[in-house]
Amino acid sequence: SAVISQKPSRDICQRGTSLTIQCQVDSQVTMMFWYRQQPGQSLTLIATANQGSEATYESGFVIDKFPISRPNLTFSTLTVSNMSPEDSSIYLCSVEGSGRGYYEQYFGPGTRLTVT
Amino acid sequence: GNSVTQMEGPVTLSEEAFLTINCTYTATGYPSLFWYVQYPGEGLQLLLKATKADDKGSNKGFEATYRKETTSFHLEKGSVQVSDSAVYFCALSDPANTGNQFYFGTGTSLTVIP
Repeated sequence: SAVISQKPSRDICQRGTSLTIQCQVDSQVTMMFWYRQQPGQSLTLIATANQGSEATYESGFVIDKFPISRPNLTFSTLTVSNMSPEDSSIYLCSVEGSGRGYYEQYFGPGTRLTVT
Repeated sequence: GNSVTQMEGPVTLSEEAFLTINCTYTATGYPSLFWYVQYPGEGLQLLLKATKADDKGSNKGFEATYRKETTSFHLEKGSVQVSDSAVYFCALSDPANTGNQFYFGTGTSLTVIP
């Protein structure tokens, strides 16, 4: 398994501002994932980030709103841009672990974002 | 397509009660199945997994059996503790068809009272 840390753990931001969330992994991984968990909801995949290429965004998410960086195999950032109260969520990064013929995902502790 | 349907909560049990959280799935191929747990204020942790039919995943007294005939992966524990209070997510991945995409259920909140 992988140990994943995220910064900040929580933040309260004003609408119209941007916040960059950092995700650090204790080992080199090919793929990192960013999820959003809105209050009382399940997880929604925002994008998949591979090192050295542009992130792949899921339907409903765009790069201008959620730019992602992946400068190396242990680190990624997600920026939530021009925030509105609807962006208040927990943002989670995860990495992929693989066994023989299956994948599993390991999650960071999450960043709890409140937009006022 | 792939999807996961989970028993709706919240669920409240007394300590030492028996727990079942139902999970059924739809998949085009032969998925792997997972249960994740989210304790208050924390991220998700992998609780257990099963990668093929009839496999039983187990961890910390929790068990779930991959039932292909009923497309189910119900989570059970014989005697819950207050420390089991958390949100439980059922999930699947289907690498052969959808790569590393994970599909999560909506989560079931469990509260165990002393």
